[in-house]
Amino acid sequence: EAGVAQSPRYKIIEKRQSVAFWCNPISGHATLYWYQQILGQGPKLLIQFQNNGVVDDSQLPKDRFSAERLKGVDSTLKIQPAKLEDSAVYLCASSYSRGSYGYTFGSGTRLTVV
Amino acid sequence: AQSVTQLGSHVSVSEGALVLLRCNYSSSVPPYLFWYVQYPNQGLQLLLKYTTGATLVKGINGFEAEFKKSETSFHLTKPSAHMSDAAEYFCAVRNDNAGNMLTFGGGTRLMVKP
Repeated sequence: EAGVAQSPRYKIIEKRQSVAFWCNPISGHATLYWYQQILGQGPKLLIQFQNNGVVDDSQLPKDRFSAERLKGVDSTLKIQPAKLEDSAVYLCASSYSRGSYGYTFGSGTRLTVV
Repeated sequence: AQSVTQLGSHVSVSEGALVLLRCNYSSSVPPYLFWYVQYPNQGLQLLLKYTTGATLVKGINGFEAEFKKSETSFHLTKPSAHMSDAAEYFCAVRNDNAGNMLTFGGGTRLMVKP
């Protein structure tokens, strides 16, 4: 079974620029999550999708972050404009359903904002 | 609200020695508990999980954890450390009131000395 695919692996941008990350979950997984992992901390949930609908985006800084999962499969997370404090690893994860125990993570995208 | 505390951001053991990584949780309802491992520049990999039933849970790579409700703990152990165990370990909690969202602890970096 193919894992959760993310791209790019690394991205360096200047502050105030925009950036987008892409995630393709495991085939058949209805639930998709985006987590932000700041260096030295545990991952923090940004947004959770069930198919193409948003289940929880309470932790997403909506003034600069946006995410979509239009066809209920792959997803894009965007930051515009980026701030220095957005430097982190952005992890995508998926699970078969909301009731699944644990989920599968991708390798992440490491963002550095300079 | 649920939360996870991992005591000790860094733990160092000698190869062959016992590994003990501590995790305490806070949850208003019976929790589901997880341990994930993260190797450098990789995503999180599920080590083991507790949902219901037996409180001693065995995972991959010789790790196990015991759910102790009275102590609100879910400590991770391995009888004999191997060099390949050096990584970052995250404890996480989920309860159904939180819509399958995982809340992670801050992580413990395990170092194994030869």
